[in-house]
Amino acid sequence: VQLLESGGGLVQPGGSLRLSCAASGLTFNEFAMTWVRQAPGKGLEWVSTISGSGGSTEYPGSVKGRFTVFRDNSKSTMYLQMNSLRGGDTAVYYCARGGGALDVWGQGTTVTVS
Amino acid sequence: EIVLTQSPGTLSLSPGERATLSCRASQTVSSNYLAWYQQRPGQAPRLLIYSASSRVPDIPDRFSGSGSGTDFTLTISRLEPEDFVVYHCQQYGNSPRTFGQGTKVEIK
Repeated sequence: VQLLESGGGLVQPGGSLRLSCAASGLTFNEFAMTWVRQAPGKGLEWVSTISGSGGSTEYPGSVKGRFTVFRDNSKSTMYLQMNSLRGGDTAVYYCARGGGALDVWGQGTTVTVS
Repeated sequence: EIVLTQSPGTLSLSPGERATLSCRASQTVSSNYLAWYQQRPGQAPRLLIYSASSRVPDIPDRFSGSGSGTDFTLTISRLEPEDFVVYHCQQYGNSPRTFGQGTKVEIK
């Protein structure tokens, strides 16, 4: 099983960015998927979870209304659309398999808001 | 929101010693859905323990998890050189899912 994030980069405050997480080696639509981020030198923060079908999503208050998670099961890919970005959103963004305990992680993609 | 407090922030021990890491929740964690992750510098976290005490296959048996309700512990029975890294706890029984701030295990 492999997860590969992409789409990170430098963006100005108020800007938008879309991250992708391409999965391989698993039956993608059988698994909920999650985004987790880690600000420089900080701990982990849960960002969003989407069900296997894509019909159910969850967000913490810190990103709700600004971030949208969705998936294309035909492409085995999950996405995170990030709008109205702030300095506090600067972090490494990881995608991970699961909706609870996260047993497979990607290597992360870096988002810098400045 | 459940706040997870990990202690100590840094644990200084020698190889071969026993490490005891604590994760305390501000409220009861539903169904003891508490996980532990190991994170090496520059790498993604790796799942060690789920449901408080179930070890992931291929994780060495020197790692064990225990606890229930609001108090959880990760124990490393005998520290190996590669174990001197950061450990995170996470609760996933309640929304929003939350993580602790991490415990760094360093060589004394």
